Amino acid sequence: AQTVTQSQPEMSVQEAETVTLSCTYDTSESNYYLFWYKQPPSRQMILVIRQEAYKQQNATENRFSVNFQKAAKSFSLKISDSQLGDTAMYFCAFILTGTYKYIFGTGTRLKVLA
Amino acid sequence: SQTIHQWPATLVQPVGSPLSLECTVEGTSNPNLYWYRQAAGRGLQLLFYSVGIGQISSEVPQNLSASRPQDRQFILSSKKLLLSDSGFYLCAWKGQLLYYEQYFGPGTRLTVT
Repeated sequence: AQTVTQSQPEMSVQEAETVTLSCTYDTSESNYYLFWYKQPPSRQMILVIRQEAYKQQNATENRFSVNFQKAAKSFSLKISDSQLGDTAMYFCAFILTGTYKYIFGTGTRLKVLA
Repeated sequence: SQTIHQWPATLVQPVGSPLSLECTVEGTSNPNLYWYRQAAGRGLQLLFYSVGIGQISSEVPQNLSASRPQDRQFILSSKKLLLSDSGFYLCAWKGQLLYYEQYFGPGTRLTVT
């Protein structure tokens, strides 16, 4: 069975600094997708970034980028130039290609300090 | 563009009362639909998913049920609520695109008293 682990329950970062959130996963399959979602205090889940397992190039969306290490089964999220609006819970998620069920991590609560 | 609606936004119900939460998606056809529950400060628990009208897969709940009467409508129900049913309920959809992206509705905060 697939699992997703986020080992950092809480983190904080100073405004304008860079922070990296960790995510590891376990699967014996080779075709899958990985995601990072942001859940601000409003609790609306927002898709931040997507990574296809077959792509070696790391995904980037503006200030958000990932470090995808397939062999190590690691998928970390880097937030550059942190802003107060980045304060949120961040969830890592995984889905096997051809299936319907997403596996979510337990989340990392990030607080950006002014 | 696609949008997803959930209602009500907030609900306070007594123990033993029925429940009906509704989710609708606009701007897409034949989406995969999902119901999740999130306890305060916790992760997401998948409750149900549906790949088509009348097709429901149940993951966990014994006290909840789901139905999909129309292509873009997904309903979460209970005949008798328990205190443990309190939580934040999120509906989500995934289209038939290549990239498996899942999008969430604004959620319903349910408090069972």
